[in-house]
Amino acid sequence: EAGVVQSPRYKIIEKKQPVAFWCNPISGHNTLYWYRQNLGQGPELLIRYENEEAVDDSQLPKDRFSAERLKGVDSTLKIQPAELGDSAVYLCASSLAGTAYEQYFGPGTRLTVT
Amino acid sequence: GQNIDQPTEMTATEGAIVQINCTYQTSGFNGLFWYQQHAGEAPTFLSYNVLDGLEEKGRFSSFLSRSKGYSYLLLKELQMKDSASYLCAVREGRLLDTGRRALTFGSGTRLQVQP
Repeated sequence: EAGVVQSPRYKIIEKKQPVAFWCNPISGHNTLYWYRQNLGQGPELLIRYENEEAVDDSQLPKDRFSAERLKGVDSTLKIQPAELGDSAVYLCASSLAGTAYEQYFGPGTRLTVT
Repeated sequence: GQNIDQPTEMTATEGAIVQINCTYQTSGFNGLFWYQQHAGEAPTFLSYNVLDGLEEKGRFSSFLSRSKGYSYLLLKELQMKDSASYLCAVREGRLLDTGRRALTFGSGTRLQVQP
């Protein structure tokens, strides 16, 4: 069974440029999460989807970040415009509906803003 | 909000036992998770505790005391490949609620296993 797929794996952009990350969750997983992980820190939630509905986006900086999950499968996270402080690893995770247990993480996208 | 504390770094010897502690302060509690993360890789699930006590899975065990807001991860028969960061994470919500809430992670404990 394929795991959570993310692309690109690495991205280098100049500040003020836009950037987008893509995530394909494990087949059948209704819940999708986007986390941001800074160096030496644990992941921090940006947004959580139940199917196509964003049910927790309280930590998403909505002035520059946006996300969508059309058709309740793939998801895209966008930053426009990017700032130096956005340099981090962006992790996507998914979990089965009804499960109380683990989230499965993708390999992440390492973003460097110069 | 949630506050999760764990040591920043630990060093141990191959073949030994190491215990990584985690303390938390939360407004709600619905489970504590341990994840392993090798450098440059995604976190992978190790263990889950929601009721007090010890959960054992091979060389890894995890303990929870809800009254003390305390958990530990115990790694036995350490191997070089166990060198990684170990993340403690707490899920909010009501106990045994099956909601798929997000996790709040600690900063991680970087474990270095030496020969």
